[in-house]
Amino acid sequence: AQSVTQLGSHVSVSEGALVLLRCNYSSSVPPYLFWYVQYPNQGLQLLLKYTTGATLVKGINGFEAEFKKSETSFHLTKPSAHMSDAAEYFCAVTSDRGSTLGRLYFGRGTQLTVWP
Amino acid sequence: DTAVSQTPKYLVTQMGNDKSIKCEQNLGHDTMYWYKQDSKKFLKIMFSYNNKELIINETVPNRFSPKSPDKAHLNLHINSLELGDSAVYFCASSQGAGLSNEQFFGPGTRLTVL
Repeated sequence: AQSVTQLGSHVSVSEGALVLLRCNYSSSVPPYLFWYVQYPNQGLQLLLKYTTGATLVKGINGFEAEFKKSETSFHLTKPSAHMSDAAEYFCAVTSDRGSTLGRLYFGRGTQLTVWP
Repeated sequence: DTAVSQTPKYLVTQMGNDKSIKCEQNLGHDTMYWYKQDSKKFLKIMFSYNNKELIINETVPNRFSPKSPDKAHLNLHINSLELGDSAVYFCASSQGAGLSNEQFFGPGTRLTVL
C-alpha cells in the first residue's frame, strides 16, 4: 500500500523567505514522487517529479525537491518565496508495480500563503 | 489550446437528478482519469481508462458510470445525485498508466447538489 503525509495543512512565509513544504511517503515498492500545485479555481499543474536517478529534482518556478529514501521524504523547497507562489500544494506517490500501477495517491495538501 | 477540457465548469442541480460531465484531451494520451476533490481539498481517484478500457475502479457507488467513447474522451455520468456528491471533479490524462505517470489535469467541474 502507498500513502502520503503532508505535515502542515497551512504554511505562511514572507515574500523572499525560504519555502519548505514537507512530504513523507509510505511505499512497499520503489516509488515515483510528484509535487503538484493548484492555484485557486484551477486544475493541478505538475511542479516536479522523481522517478529514478538524481535525488535532487528541479522543477518549474524555482522549486526543487530532494528524495531521501532513508527518511522516506520528498520535501519541496524554494529559496525565495514570491507572492505568485500562494497556492495549494499536493505531494503524490505512485509506482509502476503491482496493484498500485497507475494509481496516483495524493497527500491532503498544504496551503501556502505568502505575506508581502 | 486547452490540453484537457471539461464541461461544464459549474453544475448546480437538485438531489435525485441525473447529470453528466464531459472531458476531452488533445494531448494524444491513451490514459484518462476521474478524480473527486472534496470540500477539504482531498483528491481521490475514482476511475481510470487506458485505450478505452477500464483499468482502475475505486470504491465508488455504482451511481457513477464512466464512459470512454474514444481515447480522447472520458465522460462521467451520475445517477440519482446525493448531497454528498457535491465536490469538484477533475479529469486528467497521461501517456501510459504506469511509468512516471505524469498526469495533466483539467480545470475541474464544481458540482453542487441542493
